[in-house]
Amino acid sequence: EPEVTQTPSHQVTQMGQEVILRCVPISNHLYFYWYRQILGQKVEFLVSFYNNEISEKSEIFDDQFSVERPDGSNFTLKIRSTKLEDSAMYFCASSRTGTEQYFGPGTRLTVT
Amino acid sequence: KNEVEQSPQNLTAQEGEFITINCSYSVGISALHWLQQHPGGGIVSLFMLSSGKKKHGRLIATINIQEKHSSLHITASHPRDSAVYICAVSKGGADGLTFGKGTHLIIQP
Repeated sequence: EPEVTQTPSHQVTQMGQEVILRCVPISNHLYFYWYRQILGQKVEFLVSFYNNEISEKSEIFDDQFSVERPDGSNFTLKIRSTKLEDSAMYFCASSRTGTEQYFGPGTRLTVT
Repeated sequence: KNEVEQSPQNLTAQEGEFITINCSYSVGISALHWLQQHPGGGIVSLFMLSSGKKKHGRLIATINIQEKHSSLHITASHPRDSAVYICAVSKGGADGLTFGKGTHLIIQP
């Protein structure tokens, strides 16, 4: 069964460094999403992407964040200059129709 | 902005018990999702509802659109059902999900 994959599973970085989190959505899906979950807190929406552009973004998704779909299969989230408070689990999700979403296993980002 | 409230926050029950988890939301939606998150962190979609009731194995989900309320029931609960159950809502399309805080369920043998 097709699934969403994410790499790496765990990323440790120093404050101020740039990180790129990678996702491979399910191949015939058209909608792509990034979410984050700070340890012990609820999952929060960051951004959605459709038709090669950002569709919606939350107030969390500031100028430090960007998303790309560079090659028609990967979907990336870049954090330009990481802060301690960016430490979280980051989930990618995809959807064919914009209804049911399929989640990847997550990338645990630790900023030291 | 939609507010999603779940109850209870924590639930411990004995194997075989009937479990109910509740979810309420504040603004009209296109769909409500029930998700399961295991200790490793991965999220699995259990149900997506826009009306009525759905059943999958021992899991049943219902939604009352007028009352903005949904319930997730687990019949004949088993220790492997132990997980965090999360309610989330959306307007559909590119709209991201708005999540509740989750219900941490422990089923003891």
